[in-house]
Amino acid sequence: DAKTTQPTSMDCAEGRAANLPCNHSTISGNEYVYWYRQIHSQGPQYIIHGLKNNETNEMASLIITEDRKSSTLILPHATLRDTAVYYCIVRVAASAKLVFGAGTILRVKS
Amino acid sequence: ETGVTQTPRHLVMGMTNKKSLKCEQHLGHNAMYWYKQSAKKPLELMFVYNFKEQTENNSVPSRFSPECPNSSHLFLHLHTLQPEDSALYLCASSQDLDVGGYNSPLHFGNGTRLTVT
Repeated sequence: DAKTTQPTSMDCAEGRAANLPCNHSTISGNEYVYWYRQIHSQGPQYIIHGLKNNETNEMASLIITEDRKSSTLILPHATLRDTAVYYCIVRVAASAKLVFGAGTILRVKS
Repeated sequence: ETGVTQTPRHLVMGMTNKKSLKCEQHLGHNAMYWYKQSAKKPLELMFVYNFKEQTENNSVPSRFSPECPNSSHLFLHLHTLQPEDSALYLCASSQDLDVGGYNSPLHFGNGTRLTVT
């Protein structure tokens, strides 16, 4: 199973870009990188996922390095409502499991 | 509105009680999941259902009994729980389990906060 490593916490100023890193050095060629976030007292919310190419949607951008050993989630203009725990997850091969780690606590401050 | 509704939001039960958690998804998905989130621990997958059939039981004690009568509903029946079972129980759904090696994203409900006394 590919595992991920994320910083425990990060701070970001409101209106600035939040860049959340994730290391997944043992990722396999057919495993996707997923990002979810969990706001206090709510269930996790899907943000974005990718395999090799960079991805962008209405919530965020995902930058995956060419060797796929790391990725960065970018929230282009962070707001106070983006304060949450952000999980970087690699899908376990041949299984339905999404294995959640401890994630990164992102605090957006005014 | 997440498309996945869990009831009740909060539940307090004694160790000898029997209770059930309910999950309903309005997204037309075929796969449903139960996760457990204990304080200061990562989310743990408990059960997976695909087209009403259980495909994964992650070594969950038998005091937790899932039921999936159809693709839109999922239950977790609770019986003789322990205080350490107190946690946030999260239901999720996805379109499919695996389509050509690609897992469709999970959509989570807001969970049931369970306290066992």
